[in-house]
Amino acid sequence: DVVMTQSPLSLPVTLGQPASISCRSSQSLVSSDGNTYLNWFQQRPGQSPRRLIYKVSNRDSGVPDRFSGSGSGTDFTLKISRVEAEDVGVYYCMQGTHWPGNTFGQGTKLEIK
Amino acid sequence: EVQLVESGGGLVQPGESLRLSCAASGFTFSTYWMTWVRQVPGKGLEWVANIKEDGYEKYYLDSVKGRFTISRDNAKKSLYLQMNSLRVDDTAVYYCTRGRGSGYWGQGTLVTVSS
Repeated sequence: DVVMTQSPLSLPVTLGQPASISCRSSQSLVSSDGNTYLNWFQQRPGQSPRRLIYKVSNRDSGVPDRFSGSGSGTDFTLKISRVEAEDVGVYYCMQGTHWPGNTFGQGTKLEIK
Repeated sequence: EVQLVESGGGLVQPGESLRLSCAASGFTFSTYWMTWVRQVPGKGLEWVANIKEDGYEKYYLDSVKGRFTISRDNAKKSLYLQMNSLRVDDTAVYYCTRGRGSGYWGQGTLVTVSS
């Protein structure tokens, strides 16, 4: 089974400063169709998760451009260029390459210093 | 606007059954895989099951195989999760999500299994 490992698990950030979350998979996430199915989700306090990024680097509709995704193979990163108060919450990576099913990372809790 | 509305959660005893429903709107339901994801309160996310557009392919988390059944009714734009032989560790908020990549999520429905 694929294991997704995020770091850090807790991320205190000053408003206006950048933030970065790492996600590593135990196996390459390059699919046989050439795509890499690595998504990022945000879960604000008391809310349902919301997808931010799909296939490594594609922002979902309505997601601010301060969010960006990058990476390849087994190493992936979610970056926030300038953290705002509304970014507080837990961030999860998820792989969809290795079936059946998806695998989520443990989550990274972003808080404001 | 895409909307997913779950219902059917509640408090049950171990060994009992529950059926969750998800009403979809705002998109062509019959052209999407659908997925159930659960979350123990205060914990992380866990994929539970998903079903192909036509309902003929279904996949399950190992720990729910043989106990849970995912199904759909494309005419009613609805997704279901029949949960039998419920265990205490099935306690969680269950989310209905669109697609294999979970691009949209419902608000969730809480299932509590406790004696």
